[in-house]
Amino acid sequence: SQTIHQWPATLVQPVGSPLSLECTVEGTSNPNLYWYRQAAGRGLQLLFYSVGIGQISSEVPQNLSASRPQDRQFILSSKKLLLSDSGFYLCAWSNPGLARIEQYFGPGTRLTVT
Amino acid sequence: AQSVTQLDSHVSVSEGTPVLLRCNYSSSYSPSLFWYVQHPNKGLQLLLKYTSAATLVKGINGFEAEFKKSETSFHLTKPSAHMSDAAEYFCVVSEADTGRRALTFGSGTRLQVQP
Repeated sequence: SQTIHQWPATLVQPVGSPLSLECTVEGTSNPNLYWYRQAAGRGLQLLFYSVGIGQISSEVPQNLSASRPQDRQFILSSKKLLLSDSGFYLCAWSNPGLARIEQYFGPGTRLTVT
Repeated sequence: AQSVTQLDSHVSVSEGTPVLLRCNYSSSYSPSLFWYVQHPNKGLQLLLKYTSAATLVKGINGFEAEFKKSETSFHLTKPSAHMSDAAEYFCVVSEADTGRRALTFGSGTRLQVQP
């Protein structure tokens, strides 16, 4: 069966510091991968998605970037965090090659920028 | 463009009574629709999905939803609420033909279950 991991689970970082959140998927090959952010009391906003190694699409211009160095690894980064980057970050995967299909979510990372 | 409107930000029911969480969608294409549940500080779990097969969809934990094209609705129901159902619920739409491999989420409905 497939599983998805995210770490760390929680993170407190000062403004201006760098960020690296990691997501890995097990039990599937060539998945589509996604990063979402959920701000307090709001729905989910898609940040990035990837259909293959090195292929990243950005949905919203912002202070963040994403990379996919391996087939089942997806990394969210920032060089300098802003207060507005605080939120709950969720990674998700879906089966490859199909656009209209459900996504499966990881447990999330709670980021607080102070 | 696709969008989802969840008509209630909060719903409160008593344990053992029916649950109705309302969702309306807008889509240029024939959509797929999903309901996800999120417990506090957890990831999202898929409850059920509609992908142009049967219009009445049954999901996990006794939930079901009915796709009504004429009303552009996909309301989530459960005959009898349980305390463990207290969570946030998201209605979600996906389109096949845009090439954009992403989901559009509603703003969520927080379900409270009173003892």
